[in-house]
Amino acid sequence: AQRVTQPEKLLSVFKGAPVELKCNYSYSGSPELFWYVQYSRQRLQLLLRHISRESIKGFTADLNKGETSFHLKKPFAQEEDSAMYYCALKTGANNLFFGTGTRLTVIP
Amino acid sequence: EPEVTQTPSHQVTQMGQEVILRCVPISNHLYFYWYRQILGQKVEFLVSFYNNEISEKSEIFDDQFSVERPDGSNFTLKIRSTKLEDSAMYFCASTPGVLGYEQYFGPGTRLTVT
Repeated sequence: AQRVTQPEKLLSVFKGAPVELKCNYSYSGSPELFWYVQYSRQRLQLLLRHISRESIKGFTADLNKGETSFHLKKPFAQEEDSAMYYCALKTGANNLFFGTGTRLTVIP
Repeated sequence: EPEVTQTPSHQVTQMGQEVILRCVPISNHLYFYWYRQILGQKVEFLVSFYNNEISEKSEIFDDQFSVERPDGSNFTLKIRSTKLEDSAMYFCASTPGVLGYEQYFGPGTRLTVT
């Protein structure tokens, strides 16, 4: 059975500090992982996916199959990064299996 | 930019009543999904739909639930006899394909069962 673990429910960092949101997964197939973000009063939206290996809004995430991790990182946090972040694993036909989410607060 | 829309934004219903949640996916998308999020919990997959039939469903999607694409634009989730534990945020999503496509989410419908 699949599992996505986001160990931190809440994470606070100061503006300009590095941020890392942790995500670990368990999946018997070939994993395809995503980070979704939900800003206050907005819908869930894709932030990035591991197959793209891109940087979005300064965020990066590398899939580490050995550690079964897909941690989200940004070197310098901005106030506008405050949001709910969900790690998700694509399973089955195309459905997403979400972690419990981490609420990131960037303190000015 | 086209968006997935959902109506209503908030639905209050009494236990045992039927409720229909509506979604309008992005027009050229072919795959449709419903997810739910109980307050304080994670987003959970309910069902996926393609070519006018269910592709996959989770254990949550029992006989009380059904989905339909009654016309070319709407995608509905019906709960036949609501229970208190059905209170949640329900999200619709759509995608143009399966491989390599992101899912676009609607803003959600908050269902409150009293």
